[in-house]
Amino acid sequence: AQTVTQSQPEMSVQEAETVTLSCTYDTSESNYYLFWYKQPPSRQMILVIRQEAYKQQNATENRFSVNFQKAAKSFSLKISDSQLGDTAMYFCAFMKHGDWGAQKLVFGQGTRLTINP
Amino acid sequence: ETGVTQSPTHLIKTRGQQVTLRCSSQSGHNTVSWYQQALGQGPQFIFQYYREEENGRGNFPPRFSGLQFPNYSSELNVNALELDDSALYLCASHPTGYHYEQYFGPGTRLTVT
Repeated sequence: AQTVTQSQPEMSVQEAETVTLSCTYDTSESNYYLFWYKQPPSRQMILVIRQEAYKQQNATENRFSVNFQKAAKSFSLKISDSQLGDTAMYFCAFMKHGDWGAQKLVFGQGTRLTINP
Repeated sequence: ETGVTQSPTHLIKTRGQQVTLRCSSQSGHNTVSWYQQALGQGPQFIFQYYREEENGRGNFPPRFSGLQFPNYSSELNVNALELDDSALYLCASHPTGYHYEQYFGPGTRLTVT
């Protein structure tokens, strides 16, 4: 079974700063996806960024980028030039690739990120 | 907005009662998954439906059941409610072959007293 661990329950930074959220995972699979989801107070889970394990290049989406270390099973999220709207719970998630049957997301416990003005 | 809607937004039930939660998937999405998110936790996979049949299940008892309809809407039913069932219930849909693009609804907050 896969597990996802987020070791930072809460983080707080000033607006415009850069912040990095940590995530480690455990799996015996070689082909999988990793995700970062954002859940603001509105509760809607929003996909921030996705990484495919077979791609060595780290994914980037505007101010959001990841540091994917497959051998270390580490997947951190960097938010540059943080904005007040980035305040939310952030979840790291894992999904096996190409599984016949349910393609389920396995989530970490989450990190509560607060951006201060 | 993802195009996935859920109803009701909030619900309060008494222990032992039964509840039905509803999800309307985004058009063209024939796969729907349900997740339970307890307060302060990450979501846990309950089950997935594909073309109106259960396609996989997490570690939840049989009193959690579901339905998926031809119009891509779905239901989560929970019988014999327990206090620990209090949680946010999320549904997520995706089109066939794009399981890595799951679109979540806003959730239903269920409180069991």
